[in-house]
Amino acid sequence: DQQVKQNSPSLSVQEGRISILNCDYTNSMFDYFLWYKKYPAEGPTFLISISSIKDKNEDGRFTVFLNKSAKHLSLHIVPSQPGDSAVYFCAASDRNQGGKLIFGQGTELSVKP
Amino acid sequence: DADVTQTPRNRITKTGKRIMLECSQTKGHDRMYWYRQDPGLGLRLIYYSFDVKDINKGEISDGYSVSRQAQAKFSLSLESAIPNQTALYFCATSDPKLGQGVADTQYFGPGTRLTVL
Repeated sequence: DQQVKQNSPSLSVQEGRISILNCDYTNSMFDYFLWYKKYPAEGPTFLISISSIKDKNEDGRFTVFLNKSAKHLSLHIVPSQPGDSAVYFCAASDRNQGGKLIFGQGTELSVKP
Repeated sequence: DADVTQTPRNRITKTGKRIMLECSQTKGHDRMYWYRQDPGLGLRLIYYSFDVKDINKGEISDGYSVSRQAQAKFSLSLESAIPNQTALYFCATSDPKLGQGVADTQYFGPGTRLTVL
């Protein structure tokens, strides 16, 4: 049973436009959400996070939105750049379960010049 | 220098062989994790350790064992490798600081690509 789902395996966006990556979860006990970016032949790197007490967190070109009622979060990248091309994983955590991360399947973003 | 290192980076082995993947970290974190990545399945937790005396199974621990030799070292063993253990393996560390917004942020090593023939 996949508790964290990224239903789009891939996304292609033109440079300068907005990229929107989506993630859905089923466990209402998750209280912390993270996005990781992964380039080929490298490990995932932390990108941005959001606590369940917030509905938005912004860091430069990256903004994460959380809709708890819909159990949905999204990552917005504006403007998209070719260097953003990577696989993006969303992850969720329940601190009462020791803070382990449950990852989605990943979405491969391709930003075309 | 990398904070989380994994050895080897690539390994090809045969069915039935015992394999050990090693992870070292210089971040001073107490928590360490082992994941595997498969296409279409994302990252799945194999084992995790919150300190040297603590070992816990993750969601897919069958066929694997771990050893936490020190705060900085966490190794993953495949006792008798089988082809469906062919995957990309990642080690990660974390240092939760409750209330500071960085709880559970994990830092990953570069990965080990394991092929079992």
